Amino acid sequence: KNEVEQSPQNLTAQEGEFITINCSYSVGISALHWLQQHPGGGIVSLFMLSSGKKKHGRLIATINIQEKHSSLHITASHPRDSAVYICAVAGGGADGLTFGKGTHLIIQP
Amino acid sequence: NAGVTQTPKFQVLKTGQSMTLQCAQDMNHEYMSWYRQDPGMGLRLIHYSVGAGITDQGEVPNGYNVSRSTTEDFPLRLLSAAPSQTSVYFCASSYTGRSNSPLHFGNGTRLTVT
Repeated sequence: KNEVEQSPQNLTAQEGEFITINCSYSVGISALHWLQQHPGGGIVSLFMLSSGKKKHGRLIATINIQEKHSSLHITASHPRDSAVYICAVAGGGADGLTFGKGTHLIIQP
Repeated sequence: NAGVTQTPKFQVLKTGQSMTLQCAQDMNHEYMSWYRQDPGMGLRLIHYSVGAGITDQGEVPNGYNVSRSTTEDFPLRLLSAAPSQTSVYFCASSYTGRSNSPLHFGNGTRLTVT
């Protein structure tokens, strides 16, 4: 079973700061997902990547397959970025994803 | 497009009662799944389906049943609720269920079993 570790567990930052959230996993994967869960509970898919880097607005996700590591970056952070960010890895089969416990991010104005 | 619709949003049950959590998607997705989310733990897969008529167990299937009679619907049944099933439940779907297919989540059902 893949072990997925996220760091930090909690992060409080000031508006405008550059944010990095890390995800490491123990077994080779076919894809990695970054999800965002807002207070109130809804979960939204941010990125799915299997190599390299993806960018969407102020969000950037990178993955290093050899090192079994991914990072999610937020540039020019804003209070509306406050949420729980969840990393999940896919083994390539139809048996679902293995999820990290999430990183609780608070951006203060 | 409604996406993934879960009902109810909140439910309180007494131990031993049964209920069904509903999940429907209108995106013609083959893959549907149920997860539970508990404090301090990552989301855990309960059951999943790769198409109508096909279901399989995930990591924590005990106490739950599912069926997939249509592509759109994937209900989760609790036959005899227990306090250990107090959790937030999410239904999710994706086009194929393979690694190159993003997941779409419902808004969750918060279940309390007393």
